[in-house]
Amino acid sequence: DAKTTQPNSMESNEEEPVHLPCNHSTISGTDYIHWYRQLPSQGPEYVIHGLTSNVNNRMASLAIAEDRKSSTLILHRATLRDAAVYYCRSGNNDMRFGAGTRLTVKP
Amino acid sequence: NAGVTQTPKFQVLKTGQSMTLQCAQDMNHEYMSWYRQDPGMGLRLIHYSVGAGITDQGEVPNGYNVSRSTTEDFPLRLLSAAPSQTSVYFCASSYSRVAGEQFFGPGTRLTVL
Repeated sequence: DAKTTQPNSMESNEEEPVHLPCNHSTISGTDYIHWYRQLPSQGPEYVIHGLTSNVNNRMASLAIAEDRKSSTLILHRATLRDAAVYYCRSGNNDMRFGAGTRLTVKP
Repeated sequence: NAGVTQTPKFQVLKTGQSMTLQCAQDMNHEYMSWYRQDPGMGLRLIHYSVGAGITDQGEVPNGYNVSRSTTEDFPLRLLSAAPSQTSVYFCASSYSRVAGEQFFGPGTRLTVL
């Protein structure tokens, strides 16, 4: 199963863009890349997923490297409500979560 | 749709007691899973199911049993509670293991004394 690595923590200023990186160097050709986030005292929630092409939705954008060994979750304008732990996951048969990146948003 | 529901929301047990955490989903999802999250830690997969009658172990299955008799329900049984099982338990479901979004329940906060 594919493994992912993410920075432990990141900081951002409110209303600035945030780029959250994830390395998944062992990803296989058919593995999807998923991102979830967990707000304080809540269960995880889905953010976005993709396979090869960049993806956009109302919450975020997902930029996938051409070799697919890394991806970046982009929050275009961070708000205080975006402070959360962000999890990147790859591997079609892997339902596990790594440690994630704790995002702090400063006013 | 109610989505993924979990009961109870809170539970306190004494060491050695047994109990069942309930999880139900009304989205007709085939895939369901249980995670635990210890304070300040990430999620760890306990057990999962790819359909009615089929279950498998995750990362930390010891001390827990599951069964999947219907598509909707996926209960988690603690056989003999231990303080090390104090945690928040999340149930999740998805329509696809490959590309599908996982939907999570609100969690059950369990304390074992």
